[in-house]
Amino acid sequence: DAMVIQNPRYQVTQFGKPVTLSCSQTLNHNVMYWYQQKSSQAPKLLFHYYDKDFNNEADTPDNFQSRRPNTSFCFLDIRSPGLGDAAMYLCATSRDRLSSYEQYFGPGTRLTVT
Amino acid sequence: KNEVEQSPQNLTAQEGEFITINCSYSVGISALHWLQQHPGGGIVSLFMLSSGKKKHGRLIATINIQEKHSSLHITASHPRDSAVYICAVMSSGGSNYKLTFGKGTLLTVNP
Repeated sequence: DAMVIQNPRYQVTQFGKPVTLSCSQTLNHNVMYWYQQKSSQAPKLLFHYYDKDFNNEADTPDNFQSRRPNTSFCFLDIRSPGLGDAAMYLCATSRDRLSSYEQYFGPGTRLTVT
Repeated sequence: KNEVEQSPQNLTAQEGEFITINCSYSVGISALHWLQQHPGGGIVSLFMLSSGKKKHGRLIATINIQEKHSSLHITASHPRDSAVYICAVMSSGGSNYKLTFGKGTLLTVNP
C-alpha cells in the first residue's frame, strides 16, 4: 500500500506558468519534507513542515512556496517556473524531526519546463 | 570536501556477484540511511541504522561509528538490483532533522 503519494508523477509546464505539485501521506506523520533533485545530483531540501510550522531552508528561492492544509496533504507551488527548475521533486515524511525517525519518500514528480 | 563520500561512483557486476558499496562521513551523526533510486524513479529507504548491522533479504548494511564508515552489501546480485544507491546521514548537532546525501553509487548488474 502506498504510504507517500505524489501527483502527478510527470508534470509539464510552460516557462513562467504557475504549477502545483501534490503530496499526500497515509502514515499520519508530523513532518513533511520537499526535496528538489536535479539530474545526477543529490536531493536538496527546500523546506519542511513540522505539523503546521513551516520551515524554509535559507537558500530556497522565493519562487518556491508550500502549503499544508491538513496532516495528510502538502503542496509545492512554483510561482514562476524557470528552465532551471526542471527537476525531480521528492516528498518525504517522518513521524518526528528527531533523528531516530526514518524518512519515507514518495515516488517523486518529474517536472519539465518548456 | 563533501561531508558524505561514497565509493565507488559506478559499479558494474555480473549477476550473482557479491556487491559492496562504501560510505564515509566526516560529521558526528545520529543515524545513517541507505536509499535506493531506480533511473528516473523515486527513492526507497532500504535501511536506517545508528550502530551495528541490519539485514533485509539479500541486503546487509553495517556501520562503524568510531571509523565513521558504513557499507552496503548485496549478496547474489540480480539485474533488478541495478539502481543508484545513496548514503545519507542525519547529523547529531545543529539541524539534526536534515539529511545530508552522498552523490550516490550507480550499480549495474548484467545478466
